Amino acid sequence: GESVGLHLPTLSVQEGDNSIINCAYSNSASDYFIWYKQESGKGPQFIIDIRSNMDKRQGQRVTVLLNKTVKHLSLQIAATQPGDSAVYFCAENRAGGTSYGKLTFGQGTILTVHP
Amino acid sequence: DAGVIQSPRHEVTEMGQEVTLRCKPISGHDYLFWYRQTMMRGLELLIYFNNNVPIDDSGMPEDRFSAKMPNASFSNLKIQPSEPRDSAVYFCASSTTSRNTEAFFGQGTRLTVV
Repeated sequence: GESVGLHLPTLSVQEGDNSIINCAYSNSASDYFIWYKQESGKGPQFIIDIRSNMDKRQGQRVTVLLNKTVKHLSLQIAATQPGDSAVYFCAENRAGGTSYGKLTFGQGTILTVHP
Repeated sequence: DAGVIQSPRHEVTEMGQEVTLRCKPISGHDYLFWYRQTMMRGLELLIYFNNNVPIDDSGMPEDRFSAKMPNASFSNLKIQPSEPRDSAVYFCASSTTSRNTEAFFGQGTRLTVV
């Protein structure tokens, strides 16, 4: 029979618009939250991270927001470009405890940028 | 550095055969991760090592899967016997303790078990 795959959230934007990609997490014990980008045929690539005691961090054209109250993470991309089209993953990392250094990924969001 | 190197890039094998996937991490990195990516389950962490020691193998599907890291520059993931449901892209990644959130991924091995 036909297999059923993950139904990844999708976001379509026009070139030049701002994009906001969201992620809900469940593990309050994580020390860092991270965003990765995966282009077709390649492995995921690090974008930006944020420590759990922060609520905002900015990088080049990207901003990550962390809301620990509702366990929500978002990635904002300013002036989105066609080269930003990819699957975006949020990830969690633990700095201590029994599984220190463990890096686990969420399900991903597909971003498509139209010229 | 050439980055994380995985081999082979593609592997097609018959059900029941042993499959070995190989990874060379970035020199100086002390963390090594094995992930599996499928449409059904997304990107799953199978096992990871710190200083060549397995820290967490709770993601390894079953006894058919095993992974070793005999030294700091090499790891392998073995599946014996392989089954069609093992078909996936397998990624190896490495990172350092000082920048553990930034893992560098290899190009992946696309495994097809027929």
